[in-house]
Amino acid sequence: QVQLQESGPGLVKPSETLSLTCTVSGDSSSSYYWSWIRQSAGEGLEWIGRISHSGTTEYNPSLKSRVTMTLDTSKNQFSLKLTSVTATDTAVYYCVRESIGPWLGNWFDPWGQGILVTVSS
Amino acid sequence: QSALTQPPSVSGSPGQSVTVSCTGTYSSVGAYNYVSWYQQRPGKAPKLMIYDVSKRPSGVPDRFSGSKSGNTASLTISGLQPEDEADYYCCSYTGSYIRVFGGGTKLTVL
Repeated sequence: QVQLQESGPGLVKPSETLSLTCTVSGDSSSSYYWSWIRQSAGEGLEWIGRISHSGTTEYNPSLKSRVTMTLDTSKNQFSLKLTSVTATDTAVYYCVRESIGPWLGNWFDPWGQGILVTVSS
Repeated sequence: QSALTQPPSVSGSPGQSVTVSCTGTYSSVGAYNYVSWYQQRPGKAPKLMIYDVSKRPSGVPDRFSGSKSGNTASLTISGLQPEDEADYYCCSYTGSYIRVFGGGTKLTVL
């Protein structure tokens, strides 16, 4: 059974960099992608971006200039960095496994439990 | 403002059927059969309920079904049960490897 767990600081100062790590257990398949999705309080979901097993990344155009995702296969981890944060980046951040394409289907599952990151001085 | 439009809320009584709509454009919902639906209970992470418009993952009750017509996808829950009360989000592929979500719909079981 695949499980994902987010970790990182729960408080980040404005203009600094938000850094989160997701640890994956139970999945060594290269068929899937690893994504980050966030949810602001009382708001909907926003896809941030994804990284493949080979390290290829794709980002939401609205965040692309500030986002970097990396992969550490030796630790079964992938990471998110979001630079120059403001209060509008305050949200619950989820790491998620993503499937793409007509053969395996298009979905996000499972999701990590989520981590609340607050941007405040 | 979300790229996909959902009604803020829907409601129904136990045993009834409810439908949640998700309206996109010709370049998102209308162009691809890659719409998925997620159920989110308070304080919990979203859970996959439907993918590729109408496919149901194992373990999801067959009371949940999905469909699409033109630029609008729909999630129908039949035989409504109290535990179905949650927020529901749709998601669509838009091309250029981008995914977009709806703003979410709160389902109340009366």
